[in-house]
Amino acid sequence: GDSVTQMEGPVTLSEEAFLTINCTYTATGYPSLFWYVQYPGEGLQLLLKATKADDKGSNKGFEATYRKETTSFHLEKGSVQVSDSAVYFCALTPGTASKLTFGTGTRLQVTL
Amino acid sequence: DVKVTQSSRYLVKRTGEKVFLECVQDMDHENMFWYRQDPGLGLRLIYFSYDVKMKEKGDIPEGYSVSREKKERFSLILESASTNQTSMYLCASTSGGLRGSPLHFGNGTRLTVT
Repeated sequence: GDSVTQMEGPVTLSEEAFLTINCTYTATGYPSLFWYVQYPGEGLQLLLKATKADDKGSNKGFEATYRKETTSFHLEKGSVQVSDSAVYFCALTPGTASKLTFGTGTRLQVTL
Repeated sequence: DVKVTQSSRYLVKRTGEKVFLECVQDMDHENMFWYRQDPGLGLRLIYFSYDVKMKEKGDIPEGYSVSREKKERFSLILESASTNQTSMYLCASTSGGLRGSPLHFGNGTRLTVT
């Protein structure tokens, strides 16, 4: 079945550091890929998405590129802020179906 | 903005009790989902629904049931709560249909079963 693997956390960075959170997937066909973010005490909210190979999703300074050849969708940000501290989830949905399969989440802690 | 509202933020129940978790969305979405979130396991799908009175099992349906009598409301039922059902429960909805339609989540219900 479909699965998503993302790097273990927590990831601890200083403010303005470069962020990469790795995500790889296994799926049949051509899934859509997502990054969701969960701030403390809140539900998940969509951060960015990509629906086909070589698409780049971007939002709030975060970016991720859909790499079909490496089955990856790594999340990057050039300069993190304390307010980026949260749990980040990589997810996929096959085709046009809505059911999401999530990775285990990566906690990011940004310090001054 | 889409709003997904979960009726309780925190619940404490005793083993063996019947527990109802309620979720309401205000955007006329066809698809609704219940996930549970546990540390180290991420989000796991319990049940979902693509239409009124319709339900499908997710990856971990055992010990749960659901009800969708109206389009906007999707209820998760724990028939006889057990301590291993202590978890964060997240409801979500989406219009579906379009490729890449995102899910919209509620803020979660943290359930403790003692």
